[in-house]
Amino acid sequence: GAVVSQHPSWVICKSGTSVKIECRSLDFQATTMFWYRQFPKQSLMLMATSNEGSKATYEQGVEKDKFLINHASLTLSTLTVTSAHPEDSSFYICSARNSRTSYEQYFGPGTRLTVT
Amino acid sequence: AQSVSQHNHHVILSEAASLELGCNYSYGGTVNLFWYVQYPGQHLQLLLKYFSGDPLVKGIKGFEAEFIKSKFSFNLRKPSVQWSDTAEYFCAVNALEYGNKLVFGAGTILRVKS
Repeated sequence: GAVVSQHPSWVICKSGTSVKIECRSLDFQATTMFWYRQFPKQSLMLMATSNEGSKATYEQGVEKDKFLINHASLTLSTLTVTSAHPEDSSFYICSARNSRTSYEQYFGPGTRLTVT
Repeated sequence: AQSVSQHNHHVILSEAASLELGCNYSYGGTVNLFWYVQYPGQHLQLLLKYFSGDPLVKGIKGFEAEFIKSKFSFNLRKPSVQWSDTAEYFCAVNALEYGNKLVFGAGTILRVKS
């Protein structure tokens, strides 16, 4: 089956610093990648959608200057949390799909970000 | 507002009991429907999906779901749960009118007592 990886699986950073999270599709071409945020005991909330080679489309209320998304290749997307604050602490999950062939998304294992 | 509703946030069952988790959505038009499971400490895994055809969909691990268009529902069922089914279950809907984005329900935490 299709596999999506994320790196790192967890990260602790100091307030004011930036953190980059990688999302890779290991055995398929991800024309579209999605970034979600999951708060404790809550559902996944879509942050942004990125199509390979294009600018990401952000959901309402998500600051695009704070959450920088790059999808430069068909197998890699990155999310950079800039000038992180404690309220950015959360579980970030990416998913990927090949929009040419399927609506199905494959999810990564998630990245736990803690900002101190 | 467009949404996906899961009726129960916590469900506790004994082993061998039957399970039904409700899911309703409010999108019109063409939808694709999914149930995902998240075992403790693991990532989301697809249980089953409905795109078209037979509204009764069978998934992995003995799970099935029925799409009832008139009720905007896609309830998940399993006739006999096991302790290993303890997990969180998410219903998700992909609606063409919503730009093909996947919208998740709030999730249902299932605990199966052995």
